[in-house]
Amino acid sequence: DAEITQSPRHKITETGRQVTLACHQTWNHNNMFWYRQDLGHGLRLIHYSYGVQDTNKGEVSDGYSVSRSNTEDLPLTLESAASSQTSVYFCASSESPTSGSETQYFGPGTRLLVL
Amino acid sequence: GENVEQHPSTLSVQEGDSAVIKCTYSDSASNYFPWYKQELGKGPQLIIDIRSNVGEKKDQRIAVTLNKTAKHFSLHITETQPEDSAVYFCAAYTGGFKTIFGAGTRLFVKA
Repeated sequence: DAEITQSPRHKITETGRQVTLACHQTWNHNNMFWYRQDLGHGLRLIHYSYGVQDTNKGEVSDGYSVSRSNTEDLPLTLESAASSQTSVYFCASSESPTSGSETQYFGPGTRLLVL
Repeated sequence: GENVEQHPSTLSVQEGDSAVIKCTYSDSASNYFPWYKQELGKGPQLIIDIRSNVGEKKDQRIAVTLNKTAKHFSLHITETQPEDSAVYFCAAYTGGFKTIFGAGTRLFVKA
């Protein structure tokens, strides 16, 4: 079955370190997204990609970067981790809207603690 | 900018009762409204969705209604069961691959 996976599931790091969170989907979806989830804020969009070599900033992109070298993967990098980036991170993917479906499929999440 | 407001933030019901969660969106161009359920330790999963050309949609115990004029949409769960306990998110798709999520409703179903 097609799926979307994230790794690691839990991560503890120190302030100032570079951290990369992995996201891999086997849906063959063009669109991929990274969100962070914090209490009282729901899901906030960090970065998104419409396809290979395409990346775009979301509403809370400062301090984060992504790259898309293939269809399956969209790694999220925290260049210099800050305590404010302690959160749960979700990756999601969706088909092109031209297929008639904007449904997003979410991964299981990565819980990140920055000390 | 675009915004989706969701109420209530917490909802507690007795098993067997109905639960209603309401959302309001700001962008009149929104045309697709999914609802997601998030269980503890998991990612959100789609449970039902509705498009702007439809006023109501049902799937067994869950239903969604849409009032385009008022820019309101609601999730209705009937005959609630303990396994319905979770966080529910509404969302509005505004085109351009952009989906705006509500802040979530934590539903408790008491046995």
